[in-house]
This record gives sequence, C-alpha cells and structure tokens, in this order.
Amino acid sequence: GAVVSQHPSRVICKSGTSVKIECRSLDFQATTMFWYRQFPKQSLMLMATSNEGSKATYEQGVEKDKFLINHASLTLSTLTVTSAHPEDSSFYICSARDRRGGPPDTQYFGPGTRLTVL
Amino acid sequence: DAKTTQPNSMESNEEEPVHLPCNHSTISGTDYIHWYRQLPSQGPEYVIHGLTSNVNNRMASLAIAEDRKSSTLILHRATLRDAAVYYCIPLTSGTYKYIFGTGTRLKVLA
Repeated sequence: GAVVSQHPSRVICKSGTSVKIECRSLDFQATTMFWYRQFPKQSLMLMATSNEGSKATYEQGVEKDKFLINHASLTLSTLTVTSAHPEDSSFYICSARDRRGGPPDTQYFGPGTRLTVL
Repeated sequence: DAKTTQPNSMESNEEEPVHLPCNHSTISGTDYIHWYRQLPSQGPEYVIHGLTSNVNNRMASLAIAEDRKSSTLILHRATLRDAAVYYCIPLTSGTYKYIFGTGTRLKVLA
C-alpha cells in the first residue's frame, strides 16, 4: 500500500517551453501533497505544499508564477514549470500525506521526475 | 523546526550490523522521528518512525535516546541494496513539513 506515482519519469524540453509533471496517490487519498526539488549531490528542498481544492503554499524563494501547482483531486497534484530554463533542470519529487491523517503524518514519495532543459 | 546532525558518510561490510546516528537536540516533545533512505535517482523510501520507545520493523530498528535528543537507525545485516543516503527527519507536530538535512551516505562493502 501507500504507492505514489509520477509521470513522466524523465523529460527533456527546450528552453522557454512549459512542462507538466503529474503526481498520483494510487491506493490512498492524499489530503496534502508536497513538491521537492533536488540538485545533483544535494538534499531535497521543499518547494511547496498543496492541499486539495485550495491554493498551494510556497516556500520562501520559490516563484509561484514559475512553478504552478494544481491539486484538483484527492489523488492528483500537478506541477507545471513554466517558461523553463536550463537552471530549472533538476530532479523533481512529490510526496503525499494520507488523508486519514493524525500522527505520525508519514509521507510517501514518488519515484521522481528528471527534468532537463536544453 | 528541529535541526539534525548526521555523519556525512559511513561504511559497512556486507552482512554486518550498521548503526546510523542522528542528533536532533532541539526536538520538541511531540515530534515524531522519521527515517527515510534514498537510492540513486529514486524518491525517498520510508524506513521507520518512532516517538519515545524503540521500534522494530522488517527493514530496521530505531533506538531513541531517553532524552530524545538523538536516535540511531540500526540495520541488522547490511546488504549491497542498503547502500543509500539515510535521512532522519523530526516532524514538527501540526506542520506536516519534512525538512531534509544532508543525510548519511552509507556504503556497503562486499
């Protein structure tokens, strides 16, 4: 149980284009989903928190107009990188918190999406 | 948010036990301690969590100090597949946000 999928697993795009990444909780409903970014040899950095049906909360320094997050249902959140540039190339990872909630608020992570912007 | 300190790297021989320490001296009384591991080019994988008492599951054991300022993840018999970066994450109650530190890169020698 507690499986999270991401699509696509890898994407290469040209500079200036937009890329959408999907995150799905396959066997549970996710009250909250999270988006992280990880550069090579670095740790995961939380970008934003998204709750179903409401606006995402972005961490300090993350441009909300560049990284659009939509959490349209309890099993799907999407991250759109708009007008992507080479510096946006990174490993993007989502996680989901089970709707049943309560401690210990364990998160389940997707396998990640490798974005390369040429 | 509680800060964590972990060794940057550790080595272990295959089939030997491994003790991965984590210092989280600023943890508050209701913060659960989570451990995850990340294999190369994959998302983090849940390993174990605990609050006060020691915990065991099929993957590992978690030993939590009595004052809760530190914890140790124990892999009883390391295998080559256990080579990964291990993160300990104290979760501040009510925020649901994971703040990842630098983690410990575990190398398992055949």
